[in-house]
Parts: sequence; structure tokens; C-alpha cells
Amino acid sequence: SQTIHQWPATLVQPVGSPLSLECTVEGTSNPNLYWYRQAAGRGLQLLFYSVGIGQISSEVPQNLSASRPQDRQFILSSKKLLLSDSGFYLCASRFLNEKLFFGSGTQLSVL
Amino acid sequence: GNSVTQMEGPVTLSEEAFLTINCTYTATGYPSLFWYVQYPGEGLQLLLKATKADDKGSNKGFEATYRKETTSFHLEKGSVQVSDSAVYFCALSDLQGAQKLVFGQGTRLTINP
Repeated sequence: SQTIHQWPATLVQPVGSPLSLECTVEGTSNPNLYWYRQAAGRGLQLLFYSVGIGQISSEVPQNLSASRPQDRQFILSSKKLLLSDSGFYLCASRFLNEKLFFGSGTQLSVL
Repeated sequence: GNSVTQMEGPVTLSEEAFLTINCTYTATGYPSLFWYVQYPGEGLQLLLKATKADDKGSNKGFEATYRKETTSFHLEKGSVQVSDSAVYFCALSDLQGAQKLVFGQGTRLTINP
């Protein structure tokens, strides 16, 4: 089965600082990859998805960007964090019609 | 576009009570439907799923039936336990293209002994 590695687990960053969250996948090739955000008191919102290397689709306009430099690597970035970027970020992977596997998440606090 | 609406929480019940968490969806085509659960301090994990109308997904005593006529996928359990305390997410996937999962807002469930 697939394993999702996501780090760091927690991150506290000042407003205006850059961000880089990394996600790597084991146990599958050419998965679809996703970044979700869970803001406090709200549900899971799909931010980005990727069906292949270099292919990124954005679901909502925002201050963040994503990249997929390798088949099993998915990176979430920002040049300048905003307070509203705080939340719990989850990377997920899916291969063909298998279930969605989630990483353990990164709790980001922007102060 | 596709969307999922869940019963608002939080929901607090006593042990052995009957549980229903409502979920309705809006989608084009025939999506697959899922319930995911997030236990305290853990990541999301799949609880159950149904891939076509009238299918019943079940796991750990939980059940949900895919109702196309009412566009619903309500989660039920006959007798809840303290260990069922978690956040429950209803979701749908069209299984096309990027196979995106669209989640509801989540329902926090607390079971008191």
C-alpha cells in the first residue's frame, strides 16, 4: 500500500516569510497527488492537484503555489506567508481507483 | 460543480446511543461516495465507501447507503462507543481525470461514557 511522508509536522512562521512543505510518496508510481488545507473550524479544501510531473492544477486562487519536480514528490510553497495561510495542510495520493491515502499533515501557524 | 454538505456539529452523544450524521451531495454523473474519519492526533483514514446507487458501505459497525434519489449518504451506527469520538468527513469523487475528492466540512463527534 501507499505511504505518504510529509514534513515538518508543525511549523511556526512569521508573516511575510517563505514556505516550503514537502510530501513524498512510497509504494506506487505515477499517482495523482493532492494538497488539502483544513482551516480551523472548517472542512477540507482542495488547494492543488497533479496528475503527473510538472502538471499542477489550482482549485482556488490563493497565495500558495505547488510543484511536482519528481513523480513521487509534491511541494507546497509560498513566497510571502499571510495570516490567512494558517491551517493544517494534508498531502494525499491516489493511484487509479484506489482509495485516497493521506499524510500525517503539517500544522502551520503564521504569526 | 460537485459539492458535499454535512450535518453541522459538534455532535455529543452518550455511549451506546444511535448515531446518524447526515450527508447530501451535488454532482454531475455518478460519483463514488466516501466517509473518512480523523481520530484525535491522527491523520484521515477511509472508513467506508460506496461506488454506485443502493450500495451500502460498512466498517467497524458504521454503515452508509448510497441513495441516488435523495442524493444522500448518511452515516449510521447502532451503538456508539467512546472510541468513536473523532471528526467525520463525507466526500465524493467522480473517478474521472484527476479523481479529485470533494469533502464536506466535517462533523466532530464526541461520545461520553
